[in-house]
This record gives sequence, structure tokens and C-alpha cells, in this order.
Amino acid sequence: GEDVEQSLFLSVREGDSSVINCTYTDSSSTYLYWYKQEPGAGLQLLTYIFSNMDMKQDQRLTVLLNKKDKHLSLRIADTQTGDSAIYFCAERGNAGNMLTFGGGTRLMVKP
Amino acid sequence: DAGVIQSPRHEVTEMGQEVTLRCKLISGHNSLFWYRQTMMRGLELLIYFNNNVPIDDSGMPEDRFSAKMPNASFSTLKIQPSEPRDSAVYFCASSPLAGHTDTQYFGPGTRLTVL
Repeated sequence: GEDVEQSLFLSVREGDSSVINCTYTDSSSTYLYWYKQEPGAGLQLLTYIFSNMDMKQDQRLTVLLNKKDKHLSLRIADTQTGDSAIYFCAERGNAGNMLTFGGGTRLMVKP
Repeated sequence: DAGVIQSPRHEVTEMGQEVTLRCKLISGHNSLFWYRQTMMRGLELLIYFNNNVPIDDSGMPEDRFSAKMPNASFSTLKIQPSEPRDSAVYFCASSPLAGHTDTQYFGPGTRLTVL
């Protein structure tokens, strides 16, 4: 089946930029998503990008998509301690409306 | 809108008991997804429904697990009999089938502990 891979852990200092990376295998992906999970909570949609775009910016968040390399990244500018969470990337293929999620990247922000 | 509602938020039970987890979809949504999250296996899709019809249940671990949608806004996930390895956080998510992005909206989860 299709696969979505993420690194497990990222640590940054408050005020720095964070870049969380994701690779996927489904060449027919239509939408790609970033979700955030805070402790004890469900996943919350942060942003998504359509597969014919290569960049999307939303306030402190920048999503970059390299469709050729099947690489997605999420950049968080001016990272705050409140950004500490697990970040999941996910992709939607063109068969059905299910999403395939990566394993999540735990972001730790040090004061 | 209240968002996806799950109950109970926490459940502690003994091995062999029946467990029923409940989920109320966001009004107007007609796709429903059940996930299980553990440290070892991450987030796993168990089953999903479109318009009350199960589309893919290949993630359901075994016959002890069953899921239903008795109506368009409500779903249950039942484990009978429960085992300690079923301990996990169970999430449901809903999505508007006609939505062009298929964004899923997650509930807060049910933390299940089977002793």
C-alpha cells in the first residue's frame, strides 16, 4: 500500500524556525495535509495543499511541496512553546476518500 | 458547531468484557472514520463509512471488533471480548463527502485501558 514517512523527533529553540519533513509514495496524491496533535487531544487540521501547488503560506506556516521528489515540508516561523506537539502529514490518493497518515513528528520547543 | 463528539473519554475495563465506544459526527458530514493510536503502531485506520455504508474495514484487527452506523450522525465501535492489547486511544473523524478537500475532523478520542 501507499506509505508516508516522517522523522520521529525535532527539537528547536523558541524563536527559531522549525522544518518538519515528510515523504510519500503515492504519485496520484491529490491533497496533502498537516495535522497537529496536542497532548490528550485529537488531531487538528493545520493546513493542506493541493497537489498542483508547490507552496502555500498561512501566517507563520509555510508548506512546500516537491511533487517530483514526493516531498512535503512544514515550516513554522518564530516557533513558540505552544507549538510543541506531534505533527502528522497525510495524503489523499485518487482512490476513495481515506487519508494515509505518517507516523508523526514530535516537535519540542525549548525556551 | 460542537465538533465530533466521542464518549466515553476514558474507559477502564477488565479483560473479557464488552466495550462500546460512541461517536457523533459533525452535522452535515457523511463520512466517518475510526482510528486507533498506540505508541507502538502509531495511528491506524480501522474502518470507514460513506453514507452509512462501510467502505473499507481492512484495518479492523479481528472479529472481536465491529463497527456500525445505526443512523447518519452516529457510530459505535464495539470490542467483544476485550483484551489488554486493545488498550489504545480510539479516535473517530468525520468528513463532508461532497467537500473537495476531504479534510477530516477528529474527535477528542476515547482512551481505553483493558486490565
